[in-house]
Amino acid sequence: KAGVTQTPRYLIKTRGQQVTLSCSPISGHRSVSWYQQTPGQGLQFLFEYFSETQRNKGNFPGRFSGRQFSNSRSEMNVSTLELGDSALYLCASSYLPPGQDTQYFGPGTRLTVL
Amino acid sequence: DQQVKQNSPSLSVQEGRISILNCDYTNSMFDYFLWYKKYPAEGPTFLISISSIKDKNEDGRFTVFLNKSAKHLSLHIVPSQPGDSAVYFCAASNRNQFYFGTGTSLTVIP
Repeated sequence: KAGVTQTPRYLIKTRGQQVTLSCSPISGHRSVSWYQQTPGQGLQFLFEYFSETQRNKGNFPGRFSGRQFSNSRSEMNVSTLELGDSALYLCASSYLPPGQDTQYFGPGTRLTVL
Repeated sequence: DQQVKQNSPSLSVQEGRISILNCDYTNSMFDYFLWYKKYPAEGPTFLISISSIKDKNEDGRFTVFLNKSAKHLSLHIVPSQPGDSAVYFCAASNRNQFYFGTGTSLTVIP
């Protein structure tokens, strides 16, 4: 069974631009969560979706948004990029709703904002 | 407010010895815990989990211990191998969302 895939793996953008990241969960998984990882900060929760519904949202500004499609694939969008948005963005999938089941992570998208 | 804490940013251990990684949490509603290993430029890889109905879970060289009264869990790796060198994250769930610690970087010295 294929694992979680994320595209693109690397992105370089400039301040003020917007970016869309994509995540394809493990086949059969209906839950997708997104995290931001920066040095020394661990994994900061962004938001999570289950069956196309956003169930929880972390403490991030409205510039960060996401959605989930009927095939469980998910996208997250960051508008008006800031230097501080440079990070590794990880998505994780699980079969059950988040928090009830083991999450499996993708390789991440490394975003650099110049 | 960091509800899951890994107070040791780094740990060095000799090959063949035991590695003990610690994790503390503050929320008594957490009842499901996971450990992940992460190599640079890769996503975290699931290692082992434990539910609050147990106090110990083993999988090969990896054992997780849970002390609910102290709100503390630990991951034991025996024997440690150079390939275990990575960042280890603990995560706790209230059945609604996972909360992650900031990670402990383990170096196993050959």
